[in-house]
Amino acid sequence: ILNVEQSPQSLHVQEGDSTNFTCSFPSSNFYALHWYRWETAKSPEALFVMTLNGDEKKKGRISATLNTKEGYSYLYIKGSQPEDSATYLCAFRGSGNTGKLIFGQGTTLQVKP
Amino acid sequence: DSGVTQTPKHLITATGQRVTLRCSPRSGDLSVYWYQQSLDQGLQFLIQYYNGEERAKGNILERFSAQQFPDLHSELNLSSLELGDSALYFCASSAGTKGEQFFGPGTRLTVL
Repeated sequence: ILNVEQSPQSLHVQEGDSTNFTCSFPSSNFYALHWYRWETAKSPEALFVMTLNGDEKKKGRISATLNTKEGYSYLYIKGSQPEDSATYLCAFRGSGNTGKLIFGQGTTLQVKP
Repeated sequence: DSGVTQTPKHLITATGQRVTLRCSPRSGDLSVYWYQQSLDQGLQFLIQYYNGEERAKGNILERFSAQQFPDLHSELNLSSLELGDSALYFCASSAGTKGEQFFGPGTRLTVL
């Protein structure tokens, strides 16, 4: 059974704090690692798709790194804002010829003004 | 707005009933995926269709079935519903068989 683990489960930070979360995934048969941002009552929104070991991607104040050899990815948010409050999901895609994503449980971030 | 549409938004029904959830992918996308999110569980992959053909299957119950039509929209049929089937059902689409997936707004199913 393939397992994707995210930590922490939830996080409360003050506005302006920088934060990071971890996603652990199987290091074998890796194809891609997806990060999504999911706000309450909305649909998951794609942040990054990462495929290469050592990949670093950035979108505004949010960035992500990937280590496929050891099976982890970090998501960083610099200078958190209340609008960053959401659940951040990572999803593993294996090397088979399908698009099946295996999601972690998510990290729920609450940013207090 | 991802461009993926799902209907209905909410559905309330009774145990033993059958429902159909509908999904229209983004224009040009050939793959459609169905995911289920139950209470206290992460998003669980159910099934993928690519250009009308089943491509991958997850832990989809035998009471559930899906299809993708020639116009590429997809339907997820849930029958003999149980209380535990209450969940948020998402549809996603991608251009190819393995591309970035764009999620619809979801259908919230409540089984009473």
